[in-house]
Amino acid sequence: QQPVQSPQAVILREGEDAVINCSSSKALYSVHWYRQKHGEAPVFLMILLKGGEQMRHEKISASFNEKKQQSSLYLTASQLSYSGTYFCGTRGTTDSWGKFQFGAGTQVVVTP
Amino acid sequence: GAGVSQSPSNKVTEKGKDVELRCDPISGHTALYWYRQSLGQGLEFLIYFQGNSAPDKSGLPSDRFSAERTGGSVSTLTIQRTQQEDSAVYLCASRRTVDNSPLHFGNGTRLTVT
Repeated sequence: QQPVQSPQAVILREGEDAVINCSSSKALYSVHWYRQKHGEAPVFLMILLKGGEQMRHEKISASFNEKKQQSSLYLTASQLSYSGTYFCGTRGTTDSWGKFQFGAGTQVVVTP
Repeated sequence: GAGVSQSPSNKVTEKGKDVELRCDPISGHTALYWYRQSLGQGLEFLIYFQGNSAPDKSGLPSDRFSAERTGGSVSTLTIQRTQQEDSAVYLCASRRTVDNSPLHFGNGTRLTVT
């Protein structure tokens, strides 16, 4: 099953913070986060592995709660360049090695 | 180095025709994925190939869809008897065979079925 992302969309002013959540109904082995700007391909941000540490990409960080089967992406002191659609991709512990399924995405708009 | 290359970038076809979409992965990447993205929607998993193993076809929406990967490199996604609901952007991605490796996406093929 696809992971569920929330919220569907968020509008921020430059410098504000936001949190995007990604939840799964199954036990997860890993979570990937990607950002897609309009008309472009998704670009990798970070990977969180079961038992791994919290990751960071610039002022964007993420955590992985294995017990809750949930990952959260934190946009801190948002910049205009953070605008785009954020996708989480998950692999379940019982999935084949490469099977990644993505959530529906969270559209982020950062305004001046 | 070169990224994932997809062709054509745009394809307009008539309903009922067959189409072939091509993906050239990054050299040395053993895993290759196809996803479909409908307008404003998420990434729908279609199929993935890993080396010489049998592909995971569990995401293909119907038997009109098929994909092959020749020589562990280039992949072709074929859609037979296209329908209007097949209109979408078809994204290909590749990755190295390690657990902490990311997917590298191509720019996609925008398919429009008229």
